[in-house]
Amino acid sequence: DAKTTQPTSMDCAEGRAANLPCNHSTISGNEYVYWYRQIHSQGPQYIIHGLKNNETNEMASLIITEDRKSSTLILPHATLRDTAVYYCIVRDYTGANSKLTFGKGITLSVRP
Amino acid sequence: NAGVTQTPKFQVLKTGQSMTLQCAQDMNHEYMSWYRQDPGMGLRLIHYSVGAGITDQGEVPNGYNVSRSTTEDFPLRLLSAAPSQTSVYFCASSLGPLVVFGPGTRLTVL
Repeated sequence: DAKTTQPTSMDCAEGRAANLPCNHSTISGNEYVYWYRQIHSQGPQYIIHGLKNNETNEMASLIITEDRKSSTLILPHATLRDTAVYYCIVRDYTGANSKLTFGKGITLSVRP
Repeated sequence: NAGVTQTPKFQVLKTGQSMTLQCAQDMNHEYMSWYRQDPGMGLRLIHYSVGAGITDQGEVPNGYNVSRSTTEDFPLRLLSAAPSQTSVYFCASSLGPLVVFGPGTRLTVL
C-alpha cells in the first residue's frame, strides 16, 4: 500500500503557483519524500526529493514540515504543460528495499 | 546516454502467446524494476533487481518472469499472455536517489 495520501485533483490558473499537498504520517527516519509526475501516458518524470530540509531546483520547491508528516510541492509559475498527475512517494533508497510505491496521485489541471 | 530504453513501444498478443519486453539502461545503474499501469491507476511493481543475478518479486508478480544476467538489461517475460495483462509497462533504473523511467510499452492481449 502507498504510504502517502493526496487529494484526487486540483486546478490552478496559468502563471500562478500550484501548491500540491501530501500526507505521509507514517514516514520513518530514513525515508525520503519524492515527487514524480506523469504527463499523459509517458513514463513518470522525476521532479524533486528531500529528507527533512526544504529543497528547490529548477522545476519546483519541496516544503517538508518539521515533524516530516506532510509536505507540499510548489510549482512557482504553473504553465499549461504542467498539467499532469503528480505522485508523492516515500522511499528508503539506502538499502535493498528501495522500490518506489505509487499511489493514485493528484491530477493537476492548469487552466488558461 | 540513452537513459532507459524499452522495446517494443506497442504490442498486440493473443491469449496464450508468450513474449519478452525488453529494457536496457546505459547508466550503470544497479537497481532495475518493472511496473505496470492500468487505466486510472498508479504504477504497480511487478519485479525488481538490485544487481546482476539478483531478482525479487514486487506486488503483482504472477504471470511474469524476469532475469538479470547483465547490469544493463532486465527483460520481462510473459509466458502465457492473458487479457488481464493488458496494460502499459514501464521499466525503471536507479543508482542512489534518482529513479529514471523508460517511455513504456503498451501491451494489448486479445
